[in-house]
Amino acid sequence: DAKTTQPPSMDCAEGRAANLPCNHSTISGNEYVYWYRQIHSQGPQYIIHGLKNNETNEMASLIITEDRKSSTLILPHATLRDTAVYYCIVRVITAGNKLTFGGGTRVLVKP
Amino acid sequence: DTAVSQTPKYLVTQMGNDKSIKCEQNLGHDTMYWYKQDSKKFLKIMFSYNNKELIINETVPNRFSPKSPDKAHLNLHINSLELGDSAVYFCASSPGTGNYGYTFGSGTRLTVV
Repeated sequence: DAKTTQPPSMDCAEGRAANLPCNHSTISGNEYVYWYRQIHSQGPQYIIHGLKNNETNEMASLIITEDRKSSTLILPHATLRDTAVYYCIVRVITAGNKLTFGGGTRVLVKP
Repeated sequence: DTAVSQTPKYLVTQMGNDKSIKCEQNLGHDTMYWYKQDSKKFLKIMFSYNNKELIINETVPNRFSPKSPDKAHLNLHINSLELGDSAVYFCASSPGTGNYGYTFGSGTRLTVV
């Protein structure tokens, strides 16, 4: 699976949009982009995933560049409960379905 | 209803002991996993089972032995515990092959003293 690069940390203001970048320049055509987050002391939580098109669900939006070498997770109205480590992962859908976590971005939402 | 449940939540034990962590999922998923998160917070996959069959076995000491009695359960048994085994262990499940996210349990914090 391709590697991803994320900033180690970022702050954002409560109520504002949080834009989390991820670089995956070596992504191959059959790899999906997944986002998970881990709130302190909890298990990781699935947020969203996509292949080529932008995706939106009740938690977030995922914007994937046309060349698919980078993506942005958008939390439209960050709340204090969104403080967490956010992981961007690329993976091929195989029988193993292995998720490989990197270091992630530690997001701190401030009042 | 808890989707993926692990027991116990906390486990403190002495070096050399043998312990087990249990995991159950009620989502009807075919695949289950064990992940380890060490003190540096990196999450690493250890094992994966699909319909009771081992499909992923990362470089994990032989002291760690997963057991899947049925596809809803994946237990982790650890022999001769060492200080370095102290970590948070997460169980997860997914529908198997396909484009789906994982559901993780809340973790078991193992402390070896």
